[in-house]
Amino acid sequence: IAGITQAPTSQILAAGRRMTLRCTQDMRHNAMYWYRQDLGLGLRLIHYSNTAGTTGKGEVPDGYSVSRANTDDFPLTLASAVPSQTSVYFCASSDSSRGGDEQFFGPGTRLTVL
Amino acid sequence: RKEVEQDPGPFNVPEGATVAFNCTYSNSASQSFFWYRQDCRKEPKLLMSVYSSGNEDGRFTAQLNRASQYISLLIRDSKLSDSATYLCVVNREDSSYKLIFGSGTRLLVRP
Repeated sequence: IAGITQAPTSQILAAGRRMTLRCTQDMRHNAMYWYRQDLGLGLRLIHYSNTAGTTGKGEVPDGYSVSRANTDDFPLTLASAVPSQTSVYFCASSDSSRGGDEQFFGPGTRLTVL
Repeated sequence: RKEVEQDPGPFNVPEGATVAFNCTYSNSASQSFFWYRQDCRKEPKLLMSVYSSGNEDGRFTAQLNRASQYISLLIRDSKLSDSATYLCVVNREDSSYKLIFGSGTRLLVRP
């Protein structure tokens, strides 16, 4: 593994189903993030984690949950998917939670909820 | 009003042209500023940070005007490989989870 990986690459999901998007980084970064990207809206932060064991809500957290059991993994769960959650989801990480740190992004997961 | 606003473009320019993008932000307390590049259906990648005194990286020059609350990116001698979407990113506070992304400006460089 080099950098950040996400799985699956894409997924079509029926409304009401539960789905977990996986994110793993091997850079030993402390901070991790989940964003969604929708046309014309830019990236919006869903949840973040400053360090293993802690998480926080971003701009659009409703309908999503996260956990950070260890440094490397930061899964995002949709408990009961709705069509408005159709989006491209990017996981990112940074060395620390300082504002000037570069964020490194994974390749994204394209999710379609029908 | 969006916190970070960009002209969506597309800017369609010939190879070798100079092109400039502007971005405005609404929060005067913003601390950090960046330009990210995003290729079609790919993840964003940091192009450059933007410093108060302005900074240059090869053909790319970034400027910050705090008084007018705008950031600019100048690309000289455009290459075909510069075709991408450029995201203006502003940090509301000195925390990485306070990043606000603009919706991007699309650049197309033609032969």
